[in-house]
Amino acid sequence: DAKTTQPNSMESNEEEPVHLPCNHSTISGTDYIHWYRQLPSQGPEYVIHGLTSNVNNRMASLAIAEDRKSSTLILHRATLRDAAVYYCILRAISGGYQKVTFGIGTKLQVIP
Amino acid sequence: DTGVSQNPRHKITKRGQNVTFRCDPISEHNRLYWYRQTLGQGPEFLTYFQNEAQLEKSRLLSDRFSAERPKGSFSTLEIQRTEQGDSAMYLCASSLPARLAGNSNEQFFGPGTRLTVL
Repeated sequence: DAKTTQPNSMESNEEEPVHLPCNHSTISGTDYIHWYRQLPSQGPEYVIHGLTSNVNNRMASLAIAEDRKSSTLILHRATLRDAAVYYCILRAISGGYQKVTFGIGTKLQVIP
Repeated sequence: DTGVSQNPRHKITKRGQNVTFRCDPISEHNRLYWYRQTLGQGPEFLTYFQNEAQLEKSRLLSDRFSAERPKGSFSTLEIQRTEQGDSAMYLCASSLPARLAGNSNEQFFGPGTRLTVL
């Protein structure tokens, strides 16, 4: 699997937007970009995914660079419940099998 | 609750003992995964089942580790002769069949079993 690079930690003030960057310079044409997050003492949960176009859902937005070598997860208004470790993951689909390789992720601290 | 469940949530054992963890996936999910997570690290893939077939095992899964999914529903992960280095959170995840999952192929994770080996 291609590797991703994320900052180890970030801080945000509550109710401010948060932009979590991810670099994936070796991404291949069939790699989807996925984001998961892990709240304290819980298993990871899916946040969003995309291929080329920017994506929005009820949790977040995903902005993908035109060359696809980087992406940014956007939380529009951070809340205390968004404090978590955010993982940027590339997933290459092969025969439907989906092995996920997590890195260290970005630990987001939300300041009240 | 219709999510992925794992039991026990916590397990403390002495070095050299055997332990077994159970994972109950979401009922319509035929794909099941085990991961291990140590403090400050992301989850590391251990093994993958599609129905009852174990299709991939990580090299992290030493001979002391064995996973089963005998009827294609719940799964067990057994660690024999535990070592202090086995102390970690063991996470189970499940996902829909490929034909139903779409390109998100979202994995749904359980809360994990935290193992402490003394």
